[in-house]
Amino acid sequence: SAVISQKPSRDICQRGTSLTIQCQVDSQVTMMFWYRQQPGQSLTLIATANQGSEATYESGFVIDKFPISRPNLTFSTLTVSNMSPEDSSIYLCSFKSNEQFFGPGTRLTVL
Amino acid sequence: DAKTTQPPSMDCAEGRAANLPCNHSTISGNEYVYWYRQIHSQGPQYIIHGLKNNETNEMASLIITEDRKSSTLILPHATLRDTAVYYCIVRIGTSGATNKLIFGTGTLLAVQP
Repeated sequence: SAVISQKPSRDICQRGTSLTIQCQVDSQVTMMFWYRQQPGQSLTLIATANQGSEATYESGFVIDKFPISRPNLTFSTLTVSNMSPEDSSIYLCSFKSNEQFFGPGTRLTVL
Repeated sequence: DAKTTQPPSMDCAEGRAANLPCNHSTISGNEYVYWYRQIHSQGPQYIIHGLKNNETNEMASLIITEDRKSSTLILPHATLRDTAVYYCIVRIGTSGATNKLIFGTGTLLAVQP
C-alpha cells in the first residue's frame, strides 16, 4: 500500500499566526481528505481535495480559515489561518486508493 | 450516510476473542459497513468492510446480520497491541463521488493482560 507522510509532525504556535501542514503520498491519488481531531474526540472531516479543482468544505469549515492546495496527484497542503487556542488539534490527511489510508497526523498546539 | 451506534468502551482478556458490536438500523441498500481502528497517537487504520456477506481477512472477521441493521467485528485472539478505538462507519459504495468517511465516537477496546 502507498505511504503517506505529513510535515510537521507537531508544532507549537502563537495565536494569530498561520501554519501550513504538508501531506505527501508516494503514489498518485485522485482524492485526498483533511480531518481534524480535537483532544479526546473523534475525527471530523474538514474538506475533500481533488487535484485540479477547488476543495469541497464540510459544514462548519471555510476556505478562509483552512485554505487547501492540491497542486498535483501526490501532494496537498492545509493551512490553519489566524490560529486561536481552539485550533489546537491533530490534523490528519488521508487518501483513497482501494481503501482509505491516513497519515500519522500533525499535532498542533496554539498558545 | 446512515448513523452508527457503538458502546463507548469494552474490555477483553488477552488471547480471547473480542466481539465489537455496531448498530446501523437506518443503513441503505447501497451502503457498506466499514471498520477502522485508531491506536493511540496514530492515524486510523483500515480493518475490514462488507456489504451483506460475512467477511474475513488476516486481521478480523465481520459478521453482518441478515437485515443488515447491525454488525459485529471479531478479533479472534486479542493482544495488547489491539488496544485502540474501533470505529464502525457506513458509507455509500467503495468508489465514486461519495467517498467521505464520517467517523462516530467509536468503541475504546482495552485488552487486559
